[in-house]
This record gives sequence, C-alpha cells and structure tokens, in this order.
Amino acid sequence: AQSVAQPEDQVNVAEGNPLTVKCTYSVSGNPYLFWYVQYPNRGLQFLLKYITGDNLVKGSYGFEAEFNKSQTSFHLKKPSALVSDSALYFCAVRDSSASKIIFGSGTRLSIRP
Amino acid sequence: KAGVTQTPRYLIKTRGQQVTLSCSPISGHRSVSWYQQTPGQGLQFLFEYFSETQRNKGNFPGRFSGRQFSNSRSEMNVSTLELGDSALYLCASSLAGGQGYNEQFFGPGTRLTVL
Repeated sequence: AQSVAQPEDQVNVAEGNPLTVKCTYSVSGNPYLFWYVQYPNRGLQFLLKYITGDNLVKGSYGFEAEFNKSQTSFHLKKPSALVSDSALYFCAVRDSSASKIIFGSGTRLSIRP
Repeated sequence: KAGVTQTPRYLIKTRGQQVTLSCSPISGHRSVSWYQQTPGQGLQFLFEYFSETQRNKGNFPGRFSGRQFSNSRSEMNVSTLELGDSALYLCASSLAGGQGYNEQFFGPGTRLTVL
C-alpha cells in the first residue's frame, strides 16, 4: 500500500538560514513525488515534482528537493529561508500505475525574522 | 488561463441534509480529483474522475459520491450530512492523460459547515 510520512508537524527556521522539510514514502512501483504549499487563506499550489532522471529537482520560489531511492525520501530544501516562505507544506506520492495520490499530513514551516 | 473554480465558496447546512458542490477545471484538463481537508485528518482523497469515469476512490462512506460531465466539470454530493463532514472540500484538476505524473491545480475550496 502507498503511504507518505511527514515526521515533523512544525519546522522553525530563522530567516536567511537553510531549511529542510522531510518526507518519506512507500510505494510498490516507481514513485511520482510532489510537493505542494498552502499559504494562509489560499489554495494549494504546486511547487515541484520528481518523475524520473536527476535526483535533485528544482521548483518554484527557489525550492528544491532531493529524491533518495535507498532511503525512500524526498526532502524539500531551500538554501536561504524567507519570512514569506511561512506556510503549510504537503508531500504527496503516487505510484507509476496511476493509483490514487496520497498526501502527507503536512508540515507547518515558520520563518522568524 | 482561468484557474480551477469551485462553487459555492461557503455553505452552511444542518445534519441530515444533502449538499452538492461544483468544480470547473482548467480548460483542457480532463482529470478532476476531490479532497477533504480538516485540521485533524489533513488532506484526504475522496475520488478522481477522468473522462467521465471514476478512476480512483478513497476510503469514504457511500454518502459521498461524485460525477464528471462531458465538459470535464465535476460535482460531488454528500447525502445525510453529519457534523463530522464539516471541512474544506478541495477540487483539483490535471492534464492526466492516463499517467499519474501530472501535477494538480487546486481550486480555492468550498468551506462546508454542518450544524
């Protein structure tokens, strides 16, 4: 069965510091992995995805994520956090058989000035 | 291109009633998915439609149903509402030509309150 875990409910980072939001997954086939962000009072927005190829994926707003097959992880990263990055982040996984997409429980990222 | 639109944006119902929510996908998108978002349960997948056929279904009771029309617009219906159905219902569309790697574009959601 597919599953995705975001082990941290909240991540707190000082502005200008690097940030990491963790995600691990489990699928039976090849994974399609996604990160979405939800800003307050706004809908979910797509950030980036991994389908195949390079393990390092670059996305919107300076975010990137690294696919690690051996650790079944897809952590979201940004070299220098901005206060405006404060939001709720969701990791999602779908296997290549196009079964239903599963979202993680979400991680609230708080960037302090 | 216009984004995903959902109507109504807010809805208040009482227990036992039924409700129909509507979603219009981005033009050209043929896949529509529905999600329930609550503070306690996070984002839960309800169902996915592609070309008027239900392709995937989440673990929700039969009171939750949906359909997709030939123009890709979708509706979801919840019958015999319960207090626990109070949530933000999100619709998302994607190109989804049979594969699962297309990202989804979400609408603003319908906030349903059941009293």
